[in-house]
Amino acid sequence: GESVGLHLPTLSVQEGDNSIINCAYSNSASDYFIWYKQESGKGPQFIIDIRSNMDKRQGQRVTVLLNKTVKHLSLQIAATQPGDSAVYFCAEYPRGGYNKLIFGAGTRLAVHP
Amino acid sequence: DGGITQSPKYLFRKEGQNVTLSCEQNLNHDAMYWYRQDPGQGLRLIYYSQIVNDFQKGDIAEGYSVSREKKESFPLTVTSAQKNPTAFYLCASSPRLAGLDTGELFFGEGSRLTVL
Repeated sequence: GESVGLHLPTLSVQEGDNSIINCAYSNSASDYFIWYKQESGKGPQFIIDIRSNMDKRQGQRVTVLLNKTVKHLSLQIAATQPGDSAVYFCAEYPRGGYNKLIFGAGTRLAVHP
Repeated sequence: DGGITQSPKYLFRKEGQNVTLSCEQNLNHDAMYWYRQDPGQGLRLIYYSQIVNDFQKGDIAEGYSVSREKKESFPLTVTSAQKNPTAFYLCASSPRLAGLDTGELFFGEGSRLTVL
């Protein structure tokens, strides 16, 4: 399988619990943020996005929270399922720099039955 | 089905050899990107292209080259000048320069290059 994520921080949760994955972004000028999910051996998949004029955005079982004061982003997954096991990346677009999506290092989510 | 196809999925290369990774999309997207992924790190941008016959260097372009002769194709060549080419390479596309509308990038399944 894919060796990406061997040294990533890992969040272990029980199936059915809520998960919170955190991300500190680097550029205070960034104004658009995206969460991606990457399963082993596959390319990343879009989960949810949020722009800097919002503090919170909800999707199906997922919520993204943005705290611009401390440059912090979080992804909340409700009722975590085994299929949620993957590496999760936050990514940011600097304002005016929409040609360059900057990815964080990622967090591995391990869901236990 | 529409999507992005990368090939080969696995590739082995001897030191000193160039190798080309293929990326084809049938999504009719204007913009295409190449990222490199190493264990314990996020994705790093190698090259991107906003339109046919135009491309720009990303953060780690040294030792790589690309071409964009057709809208649907954006091949990446890993040259012998790339000092540490063993990595997972991801191709992506977006409808236009990401950020003007949705920022979502659509990724392929990746190509794993191993230099022996």
